[in-house]
Amino acid sequence: AQSVTQPDIHITVSEGASLELRCNYSYGATPYLFWYVQSPGQGLQLLLKYFSGDTLVQGIKGFEAEFKRSQSSFNLRKPSVHWSDAAEYFCAVGLNTDKLIFGTGTRLQVFP
Amino acid sequence: GAVVSQHPSWVICKSGTSVKIECRSLDFQATTMFWYRQFPKQSLMLMATSNEGSKATYEQGVEKDKFLINHASLTLSTLTVTSAHPEDSSFYICSATDTLGYGYTFGSGTRLTVV
Repeated sequence: AQSVTQPDIHITVSEGASLELRCNYSYGATPYLFWYVQSPGQGLQLLLKYFSGDTLVQGIKGFEAEFKRSQSSFNLRKPSVHWSDAAEYFCAVGLNTDKLIFGTGTRLQVFP
Repeated sequence: GAVVSQHPSWVICKSGTSVKIECRSLDFQATTMFWYRQFPKQSLMLMATSNEGSKATYEQGVEKDKFLINHASLTLSTLTVTSAHPEDSSFYICSATDTLGYGYTFGSGTRLTVV
């Protein structure tokens, strides 16, 4: 069955520290991969997406993610976290224009 | 880029009444629209998929008679929660896909509270 796993429910980092949010997927083929960010009570904002090509994807707000086929992973990274990055982060996978399957999310807390 | 407008952003209704939520694609034609439900501090759960001009496809466990979805045009999909009860209180988010390569675009969500 198709699934997305975000192992970390809650992560706390200090402002300025580096960040890595993990995402693993189980899919029959290489899916389209996405990272979204959600602030409380808000909709989802797309950070970045991978369809094909270069496995290191650059997104908005200084985020990047690397697709590793051998590990079925698509981890999100940021070299220096800002307090405004505190939010809920969702990894999602889809196939073409089919429905997206979301991970359970990782709540990021940033301390000054 | 692609923009999806979702209204209302929040609504409070009495138990037993119906509520309609609209999702519009503003600058593109949405070939497919998805409706998600999100409980507090949880992930998004897909409720149904709708294609313009055809009946929606509901996920297992979603009551199609309670959550009526209409996708009458390429720019508008509506979700009607019929005979709402307090357990229907949740955050509902729509998403649309297009043929322009933007992928999935999400609305800003609707907070439904049934009292």
